[in-house]
Amino acid sequence: DGGITQSPKYLFRKEGQNVTLSCEQNLNHDAMYWYRQDPGQGLRLIYYSQIVNDFQKGDIAEGYSVSREKKESFPLTVTSAQKNPTAFYLCASSSVVGQETQYFGPGTRLLVL
Amino acid sequence: QKEVEQDPGPLSVPEGAIVSLNCTYSNSAFQYFMWYRQYSRKGPELLMYTYSSGNKEDGRFTAQVDKSSKYISLFIRDSQPSDSATYLCAMTQGGGRGSRLTFGEGTQLTVNP
Repeated sequence: DGGITQSPKYLFRKEGQNVTLSCEQNLNHDAMYWYRQDPGQGLRLIYYSQIVNDFQKGDIAEGYSVSREKKESFPLTVTSAQKNPTAFYLCASSSVVGQETQYFGPGTRLLVL
Repeated sequence: QKEVEQDPGPLSVPEGAIVSLNCTYSNSAFQYFMWYRQYSRKGPELLMYTYSSGNKEDGRFTAQVDKSSKYISLFIRDSQPSDSATYLCAMTQGGGRGSRLTFGEGTQLTVNP
């Protein structure tokens, strides 16, 4: 059963804490993306990776970090430098050139304690 | 000014109505256009994908693209309560490995039985 999985579904962060959101895909897609969704603001791109061991900043990368050590995995760390982390985080993936559509995971809701 | 404008709604219609959802954009380089449906607290799912100007039909859904006016639409015929969701338009220039998508803010639709 192919798809994108994100874990956990809910995550709570304490003040000054770094937390990591998991994203795994078994679609054999080359590119992976992280978005943040806030009410009334649509999806905003945090980071994206077009190939293993390479990634680029999106529009709102400050306070976040990523790694892409395996094709299937693209974890996102929300660092303590991100002062307003409460949001719905979505991971997506897409195939190579000619397949412009992105497919999304179920999302992780991050809340601050 | 945002690259993609989408009326956030909310839009409320009776069951069986024809629904029209619209986006306008300013970047004439956009070539690929998508509509996603997002149920509450879920990840977006791809509904329609179009490349050129014109209409594309899939069941009760029709996607329309007018590149000359920089305007895209999604029509839903015989709307059902299960169509109640947020609809996001997305678009990209394409042509590269893992192209960035630009999203509208999303339109919240409620179909009343």
